[in-house]
Amino acid sequence: QVQLVQSGAEVKKPGSSVKVSCKTSGGTFGNFAINWVRQAPGQGLEWMGRITPVLDIRNHAQEFQGRVTITADKITSTAYMELRSLRSEDTAVYYCARDENFKAFDIWGQGTLVTVSS
Amino acid sequence: SYELTQSPSVSVSPGQKASITCSGDNLRHKYVSWFQQKPGQSPLLVIYRDDKRPSGIPERFSGSNSGDIATLTISGTQIMDEAAYYCQAWDSSAGFFGGGTMLTVL
Repeated sequence: QVQLVQSGAEVKKPGSSVKVSCKTSGGTFGNFAINWVRQAPGQGLEWMGRITPVLDIRNHAQEFQGRVTITADKITSTAYMELRSLRSEDTAVYYCARDENFKAFDIWGQGTLVTVSS
Repeated sequence: SYELTQSPSVSVSPGQKASITCSGDNLRHKYVSWFQQKPGQSPLLVIYRDDKRPSGIPERFSGSNSGDIATLTISGTQIMDEAAYYCQAWDSSAGFFGGGTMLTVL
């Protein structure tokens, strides 16, 4: 069955950038969108944005406008999330999750821990 | 920005019914999903489109959405249901989560 497999943990310096990948294993993007959701330690879930690869449409949370870039490679069925100008508050587990036409996040990746520390 | 409000915690005895609520402006006009998250795990979809249960989710999980309050109900709560629960809705093509409710089964 379809799984979302994310890249490994990262440690970054403040002010730098991080790029996390999310590969659709066992299938392709199809008509699905890939969302990015993060969770700071001990905190709740925060939606960052999504991309619908077949339409190349992106939506972003207002809080991340200008600092996040979400892309997708349709050949490898891999989505990417790049976050720039990192600060300590960006330390979190970053998840990718699939949805179809804003229905529901039915499949999630395993999460990628990004630690921002000097 | 759209806000979804959840109570931080709910306690229930095993075998009893647990109700977790999520409120938001005009929520009845939006579809609500619910996610269960256990420590160290990715969230798991338990209810979508207000009251639909994905394949593999036990029948004791149900959902409703009326007025401006969506409710996740767990009938006959089991110890294994102890987890954080998050509601989620879309507004103007952006996703929003509630702050989460920690369900304690004791």
